Amino acid sequence: SQKIEQNSEALNIQEGKTATLTCNYTNYSPAYLQWYRQDPGRGPVFLLLIRENEKEKRKERLKVTFDTTLKQSLFHITASQPADSATYLCAPNSGGGADGLTFGKGTHLIIQP
Amino acid sequence: DAGVIQSPRHEVTEMGQEVTLRCKPISGHDYLFWYRQTMMRGLELLIYFNNNVPIDDSGMPEDRFSAKMPNASFSTLKIQPSEPRDSAVYFCASSFGTGYGYTFGSGTRLTVV
Repeated sequence: SQKIEQNSEALNIQEGKTATLTCNYTNYSPAYLQWYRQDPGRGPVFLLLIRENEKEKRKERLKVTFDTTLKQSLFHITASQPADSATYLCAPNSGGGADGLTFGKGTHLIIQP
Repeated sequence: DAGVIQSPRHEVTEMGQEVTLRCKPISGHDYLFWYRQTMMRGLELLIYFNNNVPIDDSGMPEDRFSAKMPNASFSTLKIQPSEPRDSAVYFCASSFGTGYGYTFGSGTRLTVV
């Protein structure tokens, strides 16, 4: 069955450092993968989408990589700030033409001042 | 645009009662998704619509759940009868289509007692 794995434990990073979050998936052949941010009590917010033919994508301090051989995506936040503290969700599309995204359970990131 | 609008924000109901959750997607978005989020299971896709037509309802847990989209600007998710295990946060999201990010509403926190 299809499975998405993200670090279940909280990730503590010191302010100013680079935070790296991992998303591994199995039994998927996604054409693209999305990353979202979710704050407590709010809905997820779309951050980035990376397609299977793209190795890397950047947006301001965010960088996403996508390795279809390893079945893995890495999400980096450089020069991290306490305001970056949130839960980050990855969502590979399920492939086969299906449109509804399946989300990982997310990694809780804490940036400590 | 005001974003995806969901109502009510909170709903407390007694077991056995009917519950109706409402969603107004972003104008121009062709896709509408209903998700449920719990700590144990994360975000689960319940059903999605394309141009007001239900495409995939395989995530709807039971016949007690039903969803409609009578026009491009309104959708409902109904639970009848409700049970305590239905307690969760229900999110509605809309999108331009495959390969685009989703815009989520603020969610409806449902508590069934």
